[in-house]
Amino acid sequence: DQQVKQNSPSLSVQEGRISILNCDYTNSMFDYFLWYKKYPAEGPTFLISISSIKDKNEDGRFTVFLNKSAKHLSLHIVPSQPGDSAVYFCASYNQGGKLIFGQGTELSVKP
Amino acid sequence: DVKVTQSSRYLVKRTGEKVFLECVQDMDHENMFWYRQDPGLGLRLIYFSYDVKMKEKGDIPEGYSVSREKKERFSLILESASTNQTSMYLCASSLSRAQDTQYFGPGTRLTVL
Repeated sequence: DQQVKQNSPSLSVQEGRISILNCDYTNSMFDYFLWYKKYPAEGPTFLISISSIKDKNEDGRFTVFLNKSAKHLSLHIVPSQPGDSAVYFCASYNQGGKLIFGQGTELSVKP
Repeated sequence: DVKVTQSSRYLVKRTGEKVFLECVQDMDHENMFWYRQDPGLGLRLIYFSYDVKMKEKGDIPEGYSVSREKKERFSLILESASTNQTSMYLCASSLSRAQDTQYFGPGTRLTVL
């Protein structure tokens, strides 16, 4: 049972435009969410997080929005750059303290 | 900066071989984790450890074991490698048991022939 879901396996955007990556979760008890970025042949690197007491967290070009009623979060990248091309994973901690990852979305930013 | 290193970036082994994957972190983190990453499945937790000589099963422990003799080192062992264990293996560490950021190593791409 996939508790954290990223339903879009891939996304392609033009350089300078906005990239929106989506993530849904099934358990309303999840209260802390993270986004990781992964380049090929490298480990994931932490990008940004959000606690359920907030509905938005911003760090430079990256903003994460959390809609608790819809059990949905999204990562916005503005403006998108070719170096942002990577696989993005959303993740959340379950009640057992394990980090549960989505399937990942591969972002391609074209010049 | 947290540094997590893994012993090999690429590894090719034969079916039935015993395989050791080593992971070392240099930030005195309590917790260490082993994941595998497969296309369309995200990262799945194999084993984790909250302290030296402690280990806990993750979601897919079958066919694997682990060892944590020192705080900084966490080893993943494939007792008898099989082709369905061909994957990218990722080690991670975090400071505490709380909802803490996990820091990942570069990964080991294992191919079992």
